[in-house]
Order: sequence, then structure tokens, then C-alpha cells
Amino acid sequence: KNQVEQSPQSLIILEGKNCTLQCNYTVSPFSNLRWYKQDTGRGPVSLTIMTFSENTKSNGRYTATLDADTKQSSLHITASQLSDSASYICVVKSGGYNKLIFGAGTRLAVHP
Amino acid sequence: DADVTQTPRNRITKTGKRIMLECSQTKGHDRMYWYRQDPGLGLRLIYYSFDVKDINKGEISDGYSVSRQAQAKFSLSLESAIPNQTALYFCATSDTRQGINTGELFFGEGSRLTVL
Repeated sequence: KNQVEQSPQSLIILEGKNCTLQCNYTVSPFSNLRWYKQDTGRGPVSLTIMTFSENTKSNGRYTATLDADTKQSSLHITASQLSDSASYICVVKSGGYNKLIFGAGTRLAVHP
Repeated sequence: DADVTQTPRNRITKTGKRIMLECSQTKGHDRMYWYRQDPGLGLRLIYYSFDVKDINKGEISDGYSVSRQAQAKFSLSLESAIPNQTALYFCATSDTRQGINTGELFFGEGSRLTVL
């Protein structure tokens, strides 16, 4: 069964600290993996996309990694800011069925 | 102005009432989707449309219907609302006109529906 699991479910950190969010998937065949940021009361917005051949990709203070062998991805946030408080959703695109499988998200709260 | 606009943003209704959620987009994208978001669950696909003449059921279509009135408009209807349809609903678009489908979705702001 195609699944995407994210951990932790929620996380609280202090402003300025780093954190790492995890995404494990069992989707096959794999096409790509995308991280979205969803601010409270808003729709999700894409942060970055990882394809099979990419190991690391950065977008400002956000760095995503992908290990296609272990079917794991992580999103690392450096020097967190209050505006990073949001839910982060991992979405895997299945190549065979052209289908998107969503994780339940990690809710991050950055406190001053 | 938002590229993907949903109306209404909030709606409270009673069991058995008919409800329509509307979505319009100015992005010119060909594909449109309706998703439902519940606490602790991932976004779940209700219906999707690849063009005006193409409508497809998603994983949780029971109790819902849709209409693609134009390339830019995609509405979701609940014919007889029930309490377990209380959720946050998102409309989304994607663009495959260049022959490339990375799967990126562009979401509206969401419509919060409460069924009493």
C-alpha cells in the first residue's frame, strides 16, 4: 500500500534554533517528493521538489534531503523564525499511477 | 488577488442542506482538484478534472458531486450535508499544458464547512 508517514506529528522549538522534519514513504514506483508549507488558515505552498537523482536541495533556510534507497526524506530548517510556524506536508508522486500521496503533516511552532 | 479563489471561506449549515463550494482560477491551468483536510489526516482527494469535459472521482467522492463550468471554474456540491462532512476544503490547480507534470499543486485559501 502506498503510504507517506511524517514525524514528529508536532514540534515546538525556540526562535533561532534548527529542526529537522522526517518523511518516510512506501510509494512505488517513485516519481518525485515535494514539501509544502501550510500557514494557519491558508492553502499549502510548495517549498521544494526532490527527484530520484537528487540528494540535497536548498531553498533559503530550508534544506531537503532524499534517500531513495531507504525511501526517506527530511526537511531541515536552519535558524528558525517565528514565520516558520506552520504545518509542513510531504507529498510523494507515484510514477505509475500519476497519483499524489499526502502525509498527515508536521505542525511546527516556533516560540520567541 | 489570489490566483485560486474559493467561496465561501466559511459556512455553517444544517444536516440535509445542499451546499455548493465554488472555485475559480486565473492561472490558466488545465487541471483542477477538490481536496478535503481533516485534523491528523493528510489531504484527501474528492474529485479532479483534467479539462472541462473530463471529471474523475477521487478516493472519497461519496456524498459529493462536482461541475467544471469552464476551464477556470470548478464547483463542489454536497447534495445533502451530514456532520461528518465538516472539514476544511481546498481547491487546487496544476498545469500540464507544456507536457510536463511535476505534480505541483496550487491551492486556494480553503473553505471551512461546518455541518450541524
